[in-house]
Amino acid sequence: NAGVMQNPRHLVRRRGQEARLRCSPMKGHSHVYWYRQLPEEGLKFMVYLQKENIIDESGMPKERFSAEFPKEGPSILRIQQVVRGDSAAYFCASSTISGETSYEQYFGPGTRLTVT
Amino acid sequence: AQSVTQLGSHVSVSEGALVLLRCNYSSSVPPYLFWYVQYPNQGLQLLLKYTSAATLVKGINGFEAEFKKSETSFHLTKPSAHMSDAAEYFCVVGEETGFQKLVFGTGTRLLVSP
Repeated sequence: NAGVMQNPRHLVRRRGQEARLRCSPMKGHSHVYWYRQLPEEGLKFMVYLQKENIIDESGMPKERFSAEFPKEGPSILRIQQVVRGDSAAYFCASSTISGETSYEQYFGPGTRLTVT
Repeated sequence: AQSVTQLGSHVSVSEGALVLLRCNYSSSVPPYLFWYVQYPNQGLQLLLKYTSAATLVKGINGFEAEFKKSETSFHLTKPSAHMSDAAEYFCVVGEETGFQKLVFGTGTRLLVSP
């Protein structure tokens, strides 16, 4: 059973370019969460999605950031016109709401974004 | 809003010594509490979780944590450190807002020397 998959693992973008980060949840999971980890800090919640719905985006910057989780395919975190301050590790987690392990979030290996 | 405070950004122990990583939480309702471990350049792995079933929670790799409501603490311990335990440890509280939003502490880096 494959875990949460994220790609790319490392992404380098120049200022002003767009970054697209992909996350495939664990099989059977329909809930996806994105977190950002700035250097030397803990993870900060960004957004929670279910299939075709954004449930909570209270942690997302108001501009340049967007997320989606289409009916088919991975969840995408999109950052437009990247700036140096966007350099961070972006982690995706997934969960299911059924069963004993409800709410347990399983994390992917992260995408490390570097903006030059 | 719920929050966690991890005391000590770095903890150093010798191999075979007791590991104690401190965590205090702030919550107005019975919390869900977790400890996650992050190895260098890897994702996060769940060590253990508290969900009110028992105050002493046993996790993987010999770790355990005790929930103490009177002290609002959830410290992580391991009787004997191993070199492979060197990693970053995060104390996390789950915020019930219709779904479980995880609120992370700032992390404690555990260093294990021979």
